[in-house]
Amino acid sequence: EDKVVQSPLSLVVHEGDTVTLNCSYEVTNFRSLLWYKQEKKAPTFLFMLTSSGIEKKSGRLSSILDKKELFSILNITATQTGDSAIYLCAVEAVVGGGADGLTFGKGTHLIIQP
Amino acid sequence: NAGVTQTPKFQVLKTGQSMTLQCAQDMNHEYMSWYRQDPGMGLRLIHYSVGAGITDQGEVPNGYNVSRSTTEDFPLRLLSAAPSQTSVYFCASSSHIYGYTFGSGTRLTVV
Repeated sequence: EDKVVQSPLSLVVHEGDTVTLNCSYEVTNFRSLLWYKQEKKAPTFLFMLTSSGIEKKSGRLSSILDKKELFSILNITATQTGDSAIYLCAVEAVVGGGADGLTFGKGTHLIIQP
Repeated sequence: NAGVTQTPKFQVLKTGQSMTLQCAQDMNHEYMSWYRQDPGMGLRLIHYSVGAGITDQGEVPNGYNVSRSTTEDFPLRLLSAAPSQTSVYFCASSSHIYGYTFGSGTRLTVV
């Protein structure tokens, strides 16, 4: 059974701090790992990491994938109150040449205090 | 470009009632899927479809049916609602290049 574990489950930091969110996984036929940010509504896409793209960066956010050790981290530098959200990690597997849906971790609830 | 549209946004059902959650996408994605999100559980896959006429079960399919008669639409049917199906439901479509795009969700309460 595919499994995704995120840590920590919750984190409270002050504005301006740097945070690192962790995601480890056990997936048969790994295809990609995705990070999402969820505020009050639907998850919004941050990054997708695959065998051919193991490091991504967008502004203050960056992510790496370690396919050997089966984990990924999401870094946020110079945090702002608008970064407060639940951050979801998900992995996509391949079955029979097609996608098999996403398996999500439980998420990290990040709170940025002013 | 609407992306993924889910209706309704909120619904209250009585135990035993049936209903259909609608999902439509205008991105011509082949892959669509349904998830439910419960507190402390993350999102869990209910059913998915890799193209028109093809559907398959995810992690928690019991009590739900799906069909995919067109590329655009992927409705989720609750056959006989139970309180355990109280949840927030998300539909998603994917191009596998740009990740998954989620609808805005349906908050369902079964009393």
